[in-house]
Amino acid sequence: DTEVTQTPKHLVMGMTNKKSLKCEQHMGHRAMYWYKQKAKKPPELMFVYSYEKLSINESVPSRFSPECPNSSLLNLHLHALQPEDSALYLCASSQDRGPPDTQYFGPGTRLTVL
Amino acid sequence: GNSVTQMEGPVTLSEEAFLTINCTYTATGYPSLFWYVQYPGEGLQLLLKATKADDKGSNKGFEATYRKETTSFHLEKGSVQVSDSAVYFCALSTRGNTPLVFGKGTRLSVIA
Repeated sequence: DTEVTQTPKHLVMGMTNKKSLKCEQHMGHRAMYWYKQKAKKPPELMFVYSYEKLSINESVPSRFSPECPNSSLLNLHLHALQPEDSALYLCASSQDRGPPDTQYFGPGTRLTVL
Repeated sequence: GNSVTQMEGPVTLSEEAFLTINCTYTATGYPSLFWYVQYPGEGLQLLLKATKADDKGSNKGFEATYRKETTSFHLEKGSVQVSDSAVYFCALSTRGNTPLVFGKGTRLSVIA
């Protein structure tokens, strides 16, 4: 099974709302990623978790708050977002150690900020 | 730093035409190379990969060969179908827990 699941599939929120995106994998991967993808662009890295610890934060604004409660789950908490944060948010996972490994992506959450 | 350059699209082909999407890379060490495909409204799916020089990745009629001497990983398919219409991303990774480095993506449209 190489499935990464993400919920919700679509999310519309106002600038004052608080919401969370969820990601789950059961492949035993210990590296998990959040990417942001704007239309007609490649994904841009936001965060990397390695063994449930944040290892890379690509200078993402604090209105995005990641959380990795256990080795299978990854959350992205959203608060006071701006309209320019509207995008497709992709979660991915891979093996953590050793040679480069395939990253498996979820279907994404399409976020619209009004 | 590491980088991936792929041909700009969009690419429009008739059904059953031959497809080539060029991809070249710059990397330190020995990267693994990937092609991902993104269908409209969906996430990225792994199409194929190669982990060392001269490896050929293949899937669903698509092929790409890891050429270290030309630092290339061109994607080919002998006969495209309308269902192949999507955006194709070339990418590399140099270590297990590092983010992928993507090319800009190539949009392919196949017309019947």
